[in-house]
Amino acid sequence: AQSVTQLDSHVSVSEGTPVLLRCNYSSSYSPSLFWYVQHPNKGLQLLLKYTSAATLVKGINGFEAEFKKSETSFHLTKPSAHMSDAAEYFCVVREGGGNKLTFGTGTQLKVEL
Amino acid sequence: DAGVIQSPRHEVTEMGQEVTLRCKPISGHDYLFWYRQTMMRGLELLIYFNNNVPIDDSGMPEDRFSAKMPNASFSTLKIQPSEPRDSAVYFCAIEPGRHYGYTFGSGTRLTVV
Repeated sequence: AQSVTQLDSHVSVSEGTPVLLRCNYSSSYSPSLFWYVQHPNKGLQLLLKYTSAATLVKGINGFEAEFKKSETSFHLTKPSAHMSDAAEYFCVVREGGGNKLTFGTGTQLKVEL
Repeated sequence: DAGVIQSPRHEVTEMGQEVTLRCKPISGHDYLFWYRQTMMRGLELLIYFNNNVPIDDSGMPEDRFSAKMPNASFSTLKIQPSEPRDSAVYFCAIEPGRHYGYTFGSGTRLTVV
């Protein structure tokens, strides 16, 4: 069975400072991992994905994530936060042979001036 | 949200009424998914289709829920009769093929009073 744990339900940063959103996963098989962002009253948008290629994945809007198998982690980072980054972020896992995505409970990112 | 059109965007209905949510994938896809999002339970997979065939409907809450996909360009999720606990945002998502990640629609916000 697969699962994903987002360690922080809320993260608050100042504009221009680094962002770190933490995610740990559990999977019996080689997983695919994704990060999605959801702005208020919008659908979910794919930020980036890991599918067994390079462990450091670059996504849109300056975000990146590193797959660390030894730590079963897939943390999302950005060097400098922007006000427009304020949204909810979901870490998502899919086991190697399956079709279902399992979503984390989400991390609400707040960016302050 | 390009690639998936959902309608209506908002639906308010009285308990006991039938509700039909619609999804029109614009871009090519192999898989189509219906998700429900609530504050309490987060994102839940209801059902998914592969090449218009329902593959897994184990997430459908009960017999009041049904989904169809008569062709590759259209899918419906029906609730009959609706209940207040069905109030949620319902998302349709597509995946062109494995490892691409999902493209989500903007969702339908359903309120049952």
